[in-house]
Amino acid sequence: EDQVTQSPEALRLQEGESSSLNCSYTVSGLRGLFWYRQDPGKGPEFLFTLYSAGEEKEKERLKATLTKKESFLHITAPKPEDSATYLCAVQGETNAGKSTFGDGTTLTVKP
Amino acid sequence: DGGITQSPKYLFRKEGQNVTLSCEQNLNHDAMYWYRQDPGQGLRLIYYSQIVNDFQKGDIAEGYSVSREKKESFPLTVTSAQKNPTAFYLCASNERRDNEQFFGPGTRLTVL
Repeated sequence: EDQVTQSPEALRLQEGESSSLNCSYTVSGLRGLFWYRQDPGKGPEFLFTLYSAGEEKEKERLKATLTKKESFLHITAPKPEDSATYLCAVQGETNAGKSTFGDGTTLTVKP
Repeated sequence: DGGITQSPKYLFRKEGQNVTLSCEQNLNHDAMYWYRQDPGQGLRLIYYSQIVNDFQKGDIAEGYSVSREKKESFPLTVTSAQKNPTAFYLCASNERRDNEQFFGPGTRLTVL
């Protein structure tokens, strides 16, 4: 059974204070690891897909990295508008088409 | 604009009633999904459909039913058999099963 664990549950940062969010996973044959952003009361918004260990992707102040056991979402010099819940999900070979989501990390950036 | 629409945004149900949540997409995606989200938790899969006239149970299908008669539509019925239906319901779609998913704005269901 695919499993995803995200840490920490909540993270409070000052504006400009860089940090990282962790996503640990177990999956039989990784087909893809996905990061989403979710604002309160809204649907998740896609950020990144990572397919193999060593892969990195960047978008503005966000950078996602992947190893064989975990993924990190690095946030550099965050701004208050980066405040949201960040969700990690995996798709494995044995559960074709199904994504398994973690419980998310809620990020609050104070001005 | 292409996207996924869900209606209604808020829904109130009395105990013992069935209710149907609408999900429509104009992205021409083959696969569609229904998730349930409870406060402070991630998304749990209720049902998914990879093609018209076919769908599979997800991890928490009991008390729910779906249909997929058209490519663009994937309605979810919450039946009276669902013991704790109060939650935020999200519909999603993707072009191919390994791709990222696109989500609708969600329906918040409250049982009175």
